[in-house]
Amino acid sequence: AQSVTQPDIHITVSEGASLELRCNYSYGATPYLFWYVQSPGQGLQLLLKYFSGDTLVQGIKGFEAEFKRSQSSFNLRKPSVHWSDAAEYFCAVGADTGFQKLVFGTGTRLLVSP
Amino acid sequence: DAGVIQSPRHEVTEMGQEVTLRCKPISGHNSLFWYRQTMMRGLELLIYFNNNVPIDDSGMPEDRFSAKMPNASFSTLKIQPSEPRDSAVYFCASSGWEGNTEAFFGQGTRLTVV
Repeated sequence: AQSVTQPDIHITVSEGASLELRCNYSYGATPYLFWYVQSPGQGLQLLLKYFSGDTLVQGIKGFEAEFKRSQSSFNLRKPSVHWSDAAEYFCAVGADTGFQKLVFGTGTRLLVSP
Repeated sequence: DAGVIQSPRHEVTEMGQEVTLRCKPISGHNSLFWYRQTMMRGLELLIYFNNNVPIDDSGMPEDRFSAKMPNASFSTLKIQPSEPRDSAVYFCASSGWEGNTEAFFGQGTRLTVV
């Protein structure tokens, strides 16, 4: 069964600084990987996804993530954080069954300081 | 498309009462998922349907929980009787059949059982 670990519960970044959120997954086959963002009181919005091909994936809002099979990682990055990026970020792994049954990490709450 | 629509957005009920949460998936999507989000357990998949058929309900916590999908445009999650520990945010999500499509989430129903 697949699993996801997000080792950082909270991260604080200064506005304009770079950001990296860590995600490690466990899955025996080729994973489908996702990053979602959740603003307070809102549902989850997809930032980006990886299915195959180029291991560096570009997403919305200036985010990118890199799939590293050797490290079982799919870290999320942004070169310059904006105050509006403060939210909770979830990494998820899906099985290649076609049913998109996602297993989510516990999330990382991003705080942006002025 | 209006996205995944959940109702109600907020529900407060007394312990022992029946609660019904509703979801309208995105038109054309044939996979539907119910998730529960709590501080303690994060995002958990409760049940998912494909072409209106329940595929995996192993995440449903107890027999008090039941879910139905009578047609492609409507699903319900029912809790009977409700208990305070059922208090959580319940999300519905839908996706297409192909494995390389992401799940789109509704805004959730915040359930409080007092």
